[in-house]
Amino acid sequence: NFMLTQPHSVSESPGRTVTISCTRSSGSIAGNYVQWYQQRPGSSPTIVIYEDNQRPSGVPGRFSGSIDRSSNSASLTISGLKTEDEADYYCQSYDSNTWVFGGGTKLTVL
Amino acid sequence: QVQLQESGPGLVNPSETLSLTCSVSGGPMRHYYWSWIRQSPGKGLDWVGYIYYAGSTNYNPSLKSRVTISGDESKNQLSLKLTSVTAADTAIYYCAGSPRAGFPRQWGRGTLVTVSS
Repeated sequence: NFMLTQPHSVSESPGRTVTISCTRSSGSIAGNYVQWYQQRPGSSPTIVIYEDNQRPSGVPGRFSGSIDRSSNSASLTISGLKTEDEADYYCQSYDSNTWVFGGGTKLTVL
Repeated sequence: QVQLQESGPGLVNPSETLSLTCSVSGGPMRHYYWSWIRQSPGKGLDWVGYIYYAGSTNYNPSLKSRVTISGDESKNQLSLKLTSVTAADTAIYYCAGSPRAGFPRQWGRGTLVTVSS
């Protein structure tokens, strides 16, 4: 099976833009959709991006997703950072009916 | 909007079976993929498995020999059974649903299960 690797943590200042990467270990990143979840402390995860770059209703336009075939990775970009964006972010994808989550990235907005 | 609520014992003895239920409201179970995902304290998300409303299931290969997911459409409930538990199975267990294959969309609040004697 494959793995999804994320940076353990990232930090950025309010108002700035941050990008979180998610690298697929084997198989093409473009072969199966990538999702992104936000998990605030003490809460369950909520989806912020699905199918690589689709934003559910209610998720601000500041959140965007993309994939890069050359690096076999997906990215979540958050612009105009707010303190409320401070959370853990997980990427997720699948292959052969098996779901895989990345290890998660702790975003600190300071 | 589908809403999910997990329930079950918060404490399970080692070597016994963990049994959880997820009550689904706000819509029928059909045409949805229903899944269980767990999160050990302070750790990341770990997919347990899913069931399609018609009954087909897929499980995490690392848990496949111990896990059973089933659904009862008449009760709008999803169930999880995990046998021969150890301390490593201590986690918050979430149920989740999605109208699309491949990923969970709506999540429950989760329920903490501790494996200890």
